[in-house]
Parts: sequence; C-alpha cells; structure tokens
Amino acid sequence: AQTVTQSQPEMSVQEAETVTLSCTYDTSESDYYLFWYKQPPSRQMILVIRQEAYKQQNATENRFSVNFQKAAKSFSLKISDSQLGDAAMYFCAYCAGGGADGLTFGKGTHLIIQP
Amino acid sequence: GAVVSQHPSRVICKSGTSVKIECRSLDFQATTMFWYRQFPKQSLMLMATSNEGSKATYEQGVEKDKFLINHASLTLSTLTVTSAHPEDSSFYICSARPGQGDLETQYFGPGTRLLVL
Repeated sequence: AQTVTQSQPEMSVQEAETVTLSCTYDTSESDYYLFWYKQPPSRQMILVIRQEAYKQQNATENRFSVNFQKAAKSFSLKISDSQLGDAAMYFCAYCAGGGADGLTFGKGTHLIIQP
Repeated sequence: GAVVSQHPSRVICKSGTSVKIECRSLDFQATTMFWYRQFPKQSLMLMATSNEGSKATYEQGVEKDKFLINHASLTLSTLTVTSAHPEDSSFYICSARPGQGDLETQYFGPGTRLLVL
C-alpha cells in the first residue's frame, strides 16, 4: 500500500521569504500523480500544484514549485515570496494513475507566516 | 470551473438519528466521487469511492451499513450516516473526479461539519 509522509508538523517563515515543505512517499506503482493541497481555516481544500510521475520536469505554478525526486520518492513544495494568505495546512497527496482510487494524504504541515 | 458543492455545511443531530449529506458537481460530470473524513487537527482519510450507477467501494474499517452512499447521477452523490452516535462527529468532505480530461485531479467540496449529541 502507498504511504505519504510529511515530517514537519509545523513550519514558520517570514513574509516575503521562501519556505520548503517536505514530503516523501512510498509506492510500487510506476504510474502515479502527486499533489499539494492547501487547507485554510475555512477547511476548503484547494489544489496548489500537481506532478505527473512520468514527467521529469518539476511543476511550477506562479510562486509555487516542486522538487520531484522520483528515485528518492521525494516531493517537496517551495513557496517563494511568502504572503500572509499562504498561511494554512498543506497536505501532500498521492494517487495512482487513472484516478480511480482516492487520494492518500500525508498528515499535513501547518504553515505560519510571520509578518 | 470544477466547482463542487456540499449540503448542509453544518448539521447537529441527536444520537440515533440519520443524517444525509449531498455532494454535487456543479459544472462538470463526475463519474467518480470520493468521501473523506477529517477529525480535528488530523489529515483526510478516504472512506469510500462512489461510482455513478454502481455500488460504492469502502475502505477497510469503514462500515458500509452505517455510511450509506448513493451515486444516482453524474452530478450527485449522497452520504447517509445511519443511527449516528457522538463518535461519528467529524468533518466530512467529498471530492469529484471529471469523467474525461484530467482524470487524476480531484475537486473538493467545502465540507460538512457533523455534530452528534
């Protein structure tokens, strides 16, 4: 069975600085997808970024980028120019290719932005 | 696009009663919907996978007779918590997967907070 591990329960960063959230996963599948979701206090899950395992190029969405290391099964999220609105819980998630299965989530990292 | 709604957003019920939660994909057809449960300060745990027109698939440890799931159309799935007890109090979140195109990304509803007294 696949597992997703987030080893940082909480991270703090100064506004405008850069922060990296860690995620590792374990799977025996070759076709899979990885995601970072943000959950603000409203508890609405918001997709931040996704990465296809077959793509070597790291995904980027504006200030958000990932460092996908397939051999190491590592999938970290880098947030540049942190903003107060980035404060939230961040969940790393995995799903097998095809999307028929649900997501397996890590335990989450609580990101605090210091003004 | 890709908006998912849930109703109700919050419900309080007495122990022993049943509660129905609706999940709708508003601007796309969802052949598959998922139901998750999130306890306070914890992560989301998959409860079941709901495919339109077929029986739901439940994760290990989830009682199918207690959490009844119906996916009668391509835009609606319902979760009924039967004979609810205080330990069922939780945050229930649904997600929907488009039937075509991007099959892997799930779009989440805003969640339903259930409190059983």
